[in-house]
Amino acid sequence: QVQLQQWGAGLLKPSETLSLTCAVYGGSFSGYYWSWIRQPPGKGLEWIGEINHSGSTNYNPSLKSRVTISVDTSKNQFSLKLSSVTAADTAVYYCARGLLGLRAAYYYYMDVWGKGTTVTVSS
Amino acid sequence: IQLTQSPSSLSASVGDRVTITCRASQGISSYLAWYQQKPGKAPKLLIYAASTLQSGVPSRFSGSGSGTDFTLTISSLQPEDFATYYCQQLNSYPRGLTFGGGTKVEIK
Repeated sequence: QVQLQQWGAGLLKPSETLSLTCAVYGGSFSGYYWSWIRQPPGKGLEWIGEINHSGSTNYNPSLKSRVTISVDTSKNQFSLKLSSVTAADTAVYYCARGLLGLRAAYYYYMDVWGKGTTVTVSS
Repeated sequence: IQLTQSPSSLSASVGDRVTITCRASQGISSYLAWYQQKPGKAPKLLIYAASTLQSGVPSRFSGSGSGTDFTLTISSLQPEDFATYYCQQLNSYPRGLTFGGGTKVEIK
């Protein structure tokens, strides 16, 4: 059974860089998309970006200038860096496994999620 | 493309039939997924490709729709179903994902 284990610093000061890593256990790393999603306190879900096993990335346009997602296939890990954080970046950050399929139209879903990491930005 | 869920919250009783709607701001060329999230927990996949039930999800959950209008239905609400539900779509260009704002299902 595939599991995602995530970790990273939970308290940052404004202007610092957020750094999180997600490790994939018990399943293949290739053939999937690996995403980061965040959820500010009391609010909804926001997709940050994704990467596949070959390192191809897609980012949320609203965050693209500050986001870097990278992959280490030798360790079955992928990572998120978000630069120049502010209080608005305070959120629970999740990693997730995504699958893309095609029937009459494309479909995409995330079936395995990490438990989440709470990141607080405060001076 | 924006996804608008309605209602944003609802109160219902155990045994009720509940329907949540997700409307896209323009016709989308992909199928929706639906997630359930309980407080302090990660979202859980319920339905993908608009109507395919994820393995292990009770059959009281169902999904339908295409184009701009999609629905998630819970045929008989159970105590463990009180949660927040999100729809999610795939954007083709630029490639990315969008979530609806969520629907909180509370106990009446």
